Amino acid sequence: DIQMTQSPSSLSASVGDRVTITCRASQSISSYLNWYQQKPGKAPKLLIYAASSLQSGVPSRFSGSGSGTDFTLTISSLQPEDFATYYCQQSYSTPPTFGPGTKVDIK
Amino acid sequence: EVQLVESGGGLVQPGRSLRLSCAASGFTFDDYAMHWVRQAPGKGLEWVSGISWNSGSIGYADSVKGRFTISRDNAKNSLYLQMNSLRAEDTALYYCAKWKDSGHETWGQGTLVTVSS
Repeated sequence: DIQMTQSPSSLSASVGDRVTITCRASQSISSYLNWYQQKPGKAPKLLIYAASSLQSGVPSRFSGSGSGTDFTLTISSLQPEDFATYYCQQSYSTPPTFGPGTKVDIK
Repeated sequence: EVQLVESGGGLVQPGRSLRLSCAASGFTFDDYAMHWVRQAPGKGLEWVSGISWNSGSIGYADSVKGRFTISRDNAKNSLYLQMNSLRAEDTALYYCAKWKDSGHETWGQGTLVTVSS
């Protein structure tokens, strides 16, 4: 199975900050990388698919980049509704494994 | 509106069985692969199983292989997960999810399975 790691595991940030989360795959996954946002008590929500494609309805302050083994999720200007846990996921091979998550909370 | 509604969770003793259901609406169900993803309390996301649109391709996580069976009924717009020989480590919130563009595009609200004596 392909292992996914994320860094940092948590971060504290202020509204308006630029936030970057990193995801690394244990082998090359081309651009088969997704990002999800999960708020407490809610189901995950797909933000970015295929490494850099913005899911319909997701604000443009979210962006994704990378290919191969290294990927980033960037929130250009953090909003109050963005405080949540973010997961990356590879969809290159079965099983589609998730990273351990990055919790973004208020500084 | 695209909607997925899971049901069938509950408290069950170790070694017993449970069948989860997921009712889909708002989209052409038989156009899409469907998956089950679970989340243990306070933990991350774990893919459990997936099934192609026509049931021709099925996959399972190693942790459930041989114990869980995924199926679908396209005529009823429904997805199922038969869970046998349940263990304490299967305790989790189970989500069904629509698979599109190599991602889980839509998720249900989840159904909680608790395995305990």
